[in-house]
Order: sequence, then structure tokens, then C-alpha cells
Amino acid sequence: EAQVTQNPRYLITVTGKKLTVTCSQNMNHEYMSWYRQDPGLGLRQIYYSMNVEVTDKGDVPEGYKVSRKEKRNFPLILESPSPNQTSLYFCASSLSRGVETQYFGPGTRLLVL
Amino acid sequence: DAKTTQPTSMDCAEGRAANLPCNHSTISGNEYVYWYRQIHSQGPQYIIHGLKNNETNEMASLIITEDRKSSTLILPHATLRDTAVYYCIVRGPLIYNQGGKLIFGQGTELSVKP
Repeated sequence: EAQVTQNPRYLITVTGKKLTVTCSQNMNHEYMSWYRQDPGLGLRQIYYSMNVEVTDKGDVPEGYKVSRKEKRNFPLILESPSPNQTSLYFCASSLSRGVETQYFGPGTRLLVL
Repeated sequence: DAKTTQPTSMDCAEGRAANLPCNHSTISGNEYVYWYRQIHSQGPQYIIHGLKNNETNEMASLIITEDRKSSTLILPHATLRDTAVYYCIVRGPLIYNQGGKLIFGQGTELSVKP
């Protein structure tokens, strides 16, 4: 089944403790992206990647890192999480960054204490 | 990317057609209309998209007016599981959207009632 998977689905952590949220897709998509969703602010793009080893900042990249060493994986790294990064995170992928359909993962709900 | 306007909420009786309108009066000639939905904090789910012609798939139909300034998403026989927030998104091709992001507005909260 074609899908985007994220792990973990739920995470509670403390300020400053490094964490990684994994994202994987099995559709051989070139384009992958991370969004965060907050009440009243909608979905905002954090980082995106157009292909292996090619990443770029979205609208809200501060406090996040990403890497794209393999086509299927696009992990989101929070080196030193802070409470303002408490949010619902979604990974998405598509064939390219053009007009193709984007497929979203199930989401990761993060709480930073 | 063009801005869209949708009603904040709508109700629909189970088994009836749900018609969700969207205004996009500033749409450009090469911009597509996309519809996604989000069922209570799940990942957004693609429904349908179109450029000029009306489109239909197994989930829904998309009717785009001739001047392309508005569109309507039609769920022909709404079920309780169609209760969700529906987003109308207008998006251009690659060179006009370097980040590839989808801009989600506030959407329409559709409640399907028994």
C-alpha cells in the first residue's frame, strides 16, 4: 500500500532533549516536506526536499533540521526542543514539487514540557 | 498562489449530496484548484483537482465555473465519515511555487448528520 509513515505518533519530551521524528514514503517520490499545524495558524511548511541531498527552508525553519540521505526518508530533527515547538507535525511527499498530488503522513503530536 | 474563500461551516444530511463552494476570484490561468480534507487531526487527504474542466473521481466531483473564479466540490452521497474540514487550495506550477508547499486556509468544517 502506497503510504507515508511517521514515527513516533505521539511524543512527550522536555526542553532541550534532542529528538528525531522519522518520515518514510514507499512511492519513490522525489519531493518531501514537513509541516506543523497549530490552532488558528493552519499548516505551515518547515522544510522541504526536492531530492536526495537537496533540502531548503520553508516558512518556519527556526529550531529544526532535516536531512535527506535516502530518497524514501526525510527525518525532522529538533536539536534542542522548546515549548513553542509543541505542535502537530505532518510529513508529505509527492512525485515532484510541481502540481502533483501531495500525500500526507498520519501526523506526530509533540508536547515539549 | 491565489487566495481562496470558503464558508466556515456547513451541515449536510447523511445520504444527501454535500456541495462545498470556494471562491478564487484572483486565480491565474495556469493555477489548479485542489481539494483536500482533514478528518480530526489526521493527515490531510487529497480529494480531487482540476484546471478548467469539471472532474470526477471515486470520491467526489469538482465543478469549476467557466470564468474559473469559483468552484464547487460535490460529495454525491455524504456519510458520517465525510465529517471533516475541507480545504480548497489554488496552486500554480513549479516555477511559481518554489517551495512546493500547499497553502491551507481555514477551510469549511462539514458536519454530516444522521
